[in-house]
Amino acid sequence: DVKVTQSSRYLVKRTGEKVFLECVQDMDHENMFWYRQDPGLGLRLIYFSYDVKMKEKGDIPEGYSVSREKKERFSLILESASTNQTSMYLCASSPPRVLRRELFFGEGSRLTVL
Amino acid sequence: GENVEQHPSTLSVQEGDSAVIKCTYSDSASNYFPWYKQELGKRPQLIIDIRSNVGEKKDQRIAVTLNKTAKHFSLHITETQPEDSAVYFCAAFGSEKLVFGKGTKLTVNP
Repeated sequence: DVKVTQSSRYLVKRTGEKVFLECVQDMDHENMFWYRQDPGLGLRLIYFSYDVKMKEKGDIPEGYSVSREKKERFSLILESASTNQTSMYLCASSPPRVLRRELFFGEGSRLTVL
Repeated sequence: GENVEQHPSTLSVQEGDSAVIKCTYSDSASNYFPWYKQELGKRPQLIIDIRSNVGEKKDQRIAVTLNKTAKHFSLHITETQPEDSAVYFCAAFGSEKLVFGKGTKLTVNP
């Protein structure tokens, strides 16, 4: 089974802090994604990466950055956390299949910014 | 870019009834339409998907239909069971990324 592991299930941070969310996958997938999940808003794409050291902005990249130094690891960075970034963050990975782009999600990291 | 609308946002059915969730998309170039199920406190998981060259696909009690002309696709669950209770997300693959609908919370009452 594909395993996508997010480093923290629950985090509480203060406004202005720098926050790192780590994600590791063990299936040698090329593609990795960070989504944000809020009630009534579904899953919104923050950033994605199709290769090491490569990154692309998703639909809501403002206030976030990412790092992909190794194929298996994709980090989401909040340079200066704000209360409106309180949310559930989901990491996902997928193999580079053209016809079936199944995403494998991690358990999620619930971030609270006070 | 792609925009996916999903309805209804909540759906309550009696066990054994059918449930239908509908989605529309905006990008005519989108060619892949998956459905994810997220049980309470768990990660979303793919339950069925359909490509743009297929009109319907079935897998046991679930089926998905696609109307490319109207740009809408639907999830059909027959003989619903309490374990079908979850949030369901539709999605469309357009412009090199997957765009999700806002989700439908399905409750199956025993």
